[in-house]
Amino acid sequence: GAVVSQHPSWVICKSGTSVKIECRSLDFQATTMFWYRQFPKQSLMLMATSNEGSKATYEQGVEKDKFLINHASLTLSTLTVTSAHPEDSSFYICSARDSAGANGNTIYFGEGSWLTVV
Amino acid sequence: QKEVEQDPGPLSVPEGAIVSLNCTYSNSAFQYFMWYRQYSRKGPELLMYTYSSGNKEDGRFTAQVDKSSKYISLFIRDSQPSDSATYLCAMSHSGYALNFGKGTSLLVTP
Repeated sequence: GAVVSQHPSWVICKSGTSVKIECRSLDFQATTMFWYRQFPKQSLMLMATSNEGSKATYEQGVEKDKFLINHASLTLSTLTVTSAHPEDSSFYICSARDSAGANGNTIYFGEGSWLTVV
Repeated sequence: QKEVEQDPGPLSVPEGAIVSLNCTYSNSAFQYFMWYRQYSRKGPELLMYTYSSGNKEDGRFTAQVDKSSKYISLFIRDSQPSDSATYLCAMSHSGYALNFGKGTSLLVTP
């Protein structure tokens, strides 16, 4: 089946530094990718929608200058958490839409990236 | 009112039981309905995908969508301890961004 790869799986960084998380669709082209964050025992919260070759669309309350999203190719989107602070510690998950798949418009998720800011 | 409502549980059943998981929603424009399984500290895994109303079966899993009642269900037959996870319902009107329920935590005991 379709696979979405996310890297790194976990990262620990110092407060004030920036961290980049990559999301790749391995066997399909994804014109649209999504970035979520999930706090413990909570559901996924959509942060932004990433469209290949254009600016991302951010959800209300998500700072676009803090969470930089780049979708430079049909198989890769990146999320950069800039000037990270402990409150940014969370589980970040990407998903990609396979519009050409058998089910049509199926969305597949990456394995997630655990970010801990110390 | 949230667009998607899902009882967070936890739901505990003995091995072999039939599990019924449900979600209700308020947006009649939703057309795509999905169930995801999420193990602890992992990304969600797509289990079932349904477009519009009807039933869909895949192995031990059956998904039902009743658009008239704005109600979707996931049934798991012959439940196994390995089915213990959080089950998230998700839906969309355009096939783009998903609206998630909070997830139901399921525990299948041996």
